[in-house]
Amino acid sequence: DAGVIQSPRHEVTEMGQEVTLRCKPISGHNSLFWYRQTMMRGLELLIYFNNNVPIDDSGMPEDRFSAKMPNASFSTLKIQPSEPRDSAVYFCASGPRDKTYEQYFGPGTRLTVT
Amino acid sequence: AQTVTQSQPEMSVQEAETVTLSCTYDTSESDYYLFWYKQPPSRQMILVIRQEAYKQQNATENRFSVNFQKAAKSFSLKISDSQLGDAAMYFCAYRKDMYSGGGADGLTFGKGTHLIIQP
Repeated sequence: DAGVIQSPRHEVTEMGQEVTLRCKPISGHNSLFWYRQTMMRGLELLIYFNNNVPIDDSGMPEDRFSAKMPNASFSTLKIQPSEPRDSAVYFCASGPRDKTYEQYFGPGTRLTVT
Repeated sequence: AQTVTQSQPEMSVQEAETVTLSCTYDTSESDYYLFWYKQPPSRQMILVIRQEAYKQQNATENRFSVNFQKAAKSFSLKISDSQLGDAAMYFCAYRKDMYSGGGADGLTFGKGTHLIIQP
């Protein structure tokens, strides 16, 4: 199995630009999670989906952030417009239907906003 | 809301020795899971060990074991025979059981402990 795939692995953009992070979960998994890791705030859950439906987006910092899951094999996290304080590592994770305690993390996307 | 606290920002241990990383948590739920994740410099999140709250027996995985004290809401990780490859950030994490509220749920992480292995 290829594991959770995230792209790009690194992204450098200028303040004000739109940024789109992409995630392909493990085939057959029905839960998908987006996390953000910063030095100041640590690892925090942004949003998660069950069966492609957003369940809890209370962790999304503000309206500049949006996430979609149009189908079971693809999700995006978009930041528009981006700000320097959005610089972080963004992780996507997926989980199987029959073992809800399991989460498999992708390699993360390191975002730098200048 | 659930909180997870790791009070040791950094720990150091001699190779082959034993080290214990501390974690406390706060929750009003009775059914939940606790985890320890390892994050090496590659930043990949690697699951080390999992504990179900309903199980009284402490989980073990080879050189890794936990001391789970449910009443005290404490969940420490013991690493025996420390190896250079164990050097990493270690995160304690909490997740409520799906049957507590329906569907899968996200993880709540502590701030992490940086483990240094002295050769």
